[in-house]
Amino acid sequence: QQQVKQSPQSLIVQKGGISIINCAYENTAFDYFPWYQQFPGKGPALLIAIRPDVSEKKEGRFTISFNKSAKQFSLHIMDSQPGDSATYFCAASRTGGYNKLIFGAGTRLAVHP
Amino acid sequence: DADVTQTPRNRITKTGKRIMLECSQTKGHDRMYWYRQDPGLGLRLIYYSFDVKDINKGEISDGYSVSRQAQAKFSLSLESAIPNQTALYFCATSDWGGGSYNEQFFGPGTRLTVL
Repeated sequence: QQQVKQSPQSLIVQKGGISIINCAYENTAFDYFPWYQQFPGKGPALLIAIRPDVSEKKEGRFTISFNKSAKQFSLHIMDSQPGDSATYFCAASRTGGYNKLIFGAGTRLAVHP
Repeated sequence: DADVTQTPRNRITKTGKRIMLECSQTKGHDRMYWYRQDPGLGLRLIYYSFDVKDINKGEISDGYSVSRQAQAKFSLSLESAIPNQTALYFCATSDWGGGSYNEQFFGPGTRLTVL
């Protein structure tokens, strides 16, 4: 049972373009939505995260948009750079308790020069 | 030095063999997790532990066991490895957030191949 659905599976963007990755969740008890970035040969690392009390969070070129009623959230990478080429995972969690992360399937992003 | 280390980084083994993957952390975190990563499936939680006396099954614990030897060490064992356990395995740690979510920090991973 996949509680967090992520799309697309892979994405190719030209340098300077906008990369958009989408996620949808099922459990309305989730209240924390992080995005993790993973480079080849490395473990995932937290990129940016949002709570459902806001609809958008921006950190540099990375923005999370959150739609609570649709149970969807997305990552936008503005002015995409070749150094952004990585696998991106969305995730969801309930705060309190064990803080378990439920991950999406991942999106492999390639930014071409 | 890396805060979360995993050994070995790569391992090839045969069906039926017992294998142990080890994780150590210097972050002083209480919580530790084991995940496996498969293409198209993301990361799935195998086991998690909040302290040396607390061990919990994740969504895919069958065929695996764990040991929390100390606050800083969390080992994952495959008692009798099978080919569909071929995957990338990650250890992660997090601090107690006092009720709010805390970031998980991942190790570099162990690539396991079961022939």
